Amino acid sequence: GNSVTQMEGPVTLSEEAFLTINCTYTATGYPSLFWYVQYPGEGLQLLLKATKADDKGSNKGFEATYRKETTSFHLEKGSVQVSDSAVYFCALSDRSNFGNEKLTFGTGTRLTIIP
Amino acid sequence: ETGVTQSPTHLIKTRGQQVTLRCSSQSGHNTVSWYQQALGQGPQFIFQYYREEENGRGNFPPRFSGLQFPNYSSELNVNALELDDSALYLCAVKQDRAETQYFGPGTRLLVL
Repeated sequence: GNSVTQMEGPVTLSEEAFLTINCTYTATGYPSLFWYVQYPGEGLQLLLKATKADDKGSNKGFEATYRKETTSFHLEKGSVQVSDSAVYFCALSDRSNFGNEKLTFGTGTRLTIIP
Repeated sequence: ETGVTQSPTHLIKTRGQQVTLRCSSQSGHNTVSWYQQALGQGPQFIFQYYREEENGRGNFPPRFSGLQFPNYSSELNVNALELDDSALYLCAVKQDRAETQYFGPGTRLLVL
């Protein structure tokens, strides 16, 4: 079955530091890959996505590249801000099962940015 | 902005009771999924509805059931509540051929 493995947290960084959150996946089909962010007390917000190998998703300074050869989708940001403090979830959607594209999530990585 | 709303925001129940959670989308997305997020965990897929029919289900017992209405709003029903059902319940909507799912703010359920 499909699975997502995320870098365990929590991760604490100083403001303006470089961020990497590792994500690897196992899938039987050709998944689309996502990063969602969850702020305290809220639901999930889509941060970025990539639908095929070598695609790069980007949003709000965050980037992730779909690496089929390493089955990875690592999240990066060059200079983090205090407002980036949240829980980040890597997820995949198996497009081979049309009509039932459930999302499979990792366990989440809690990120705290200190001023 | 998809305008996904869920109600209620918080709920406290006791073991053995039944609960109904609701989800609606202003944009009329015709596919809705429900997820359970236990504390400190990632969301787990419960089931998905498309055009009022269940078309996919995760590893959850039959006491978890759902409905989707002609206006695409949806309900999640849980019977015979157990302590382990305490979690954040999220609904997610999308159009039938789109890949991106948009989440509501969730309903936090506490079972005592």
